Amino acid sequence: AQSVAQPEDQVNVAEGNPLTVKCTYSVSGNPYLFWYVQYPNRGLQFLLKYITGDNLVKGSYGFEAEFNKSQTSFHLKKPSALVSDSALYFCAYDRGSTLGRLYFGRGTQLTVWP
Amino acid sequence: ETGVTQTPRHLVMGMTNKKSLKCEQHLGHNAMYWYKQSAKKPLELMFVYNFKEQTENNSVPSRFSPECPNSSHLFLHLHTLQPEDSALYLCASSAAGGTSTDTQYFGPGTRLTVL
Repeated sequence: AQSVAQPEDQVNVAEGNPLTVKCTYSVSGNPYLFWYVQYPNRGLQFLLKYITGDNLVKGSYGFEAEFNKSQTSFHLKKPSALVSDSALYFCAYDRGSTLGRLYFGRGTQLTVWP
Repeated sequence: ETGVTQTPRHLVMGMTNKKSLKCEQHLGHNAMYWYKQSAKKPLELMFVYNFKEQTENNSVPSRFSPECPNSSHLFLHLHTLQPEDSALYLCASSAAGGTSTDTQYFGPGTRLTVL
């Protein structure tokens, strides 16, 4: 079955340290990959996406992600974490059908402590 | 976040009630989506509308009935729900045609509790 996996339910990082939220995919063909963030009692906010081209994608709020085809990964990174980055992060894919259909991972709760 | 609005933000209903969720997008998009977010489960796509036409029903029970009168508005009509339907219901929209490369923009969600 095709899917994305977020192997860590929880990631804890000290403020100022680099952060990584992991995502691996098992999708045939050339998937489109997305990262979204959800703050408490809010909807999902788009961070970045990989469609094609440069494997390093830069997004909102200083986040970036690297598409690695050989490792089937699309990890989200930020060089220096902020307490305000604490939220629930979702990786998602689209198989490239005619109409957008996003399939989400289970989410990773990121906590940045001061 | 104000590009996609949802009302009400919270809803408590009994199993015999009928209620509706409303979504409105102010982004000029033509595709709209309903998702269900339950505790401990991934977000589940429920319905997709493109230019007011339903293009996807992801095996959703008939007690959920969507309506899309125009490209800016999307409703989810609820009747005879079950307690396991309690969840956060998220609406999203994307640009013209709703192709796979388009970004979906989400509303804040309606927190539904079924007693």
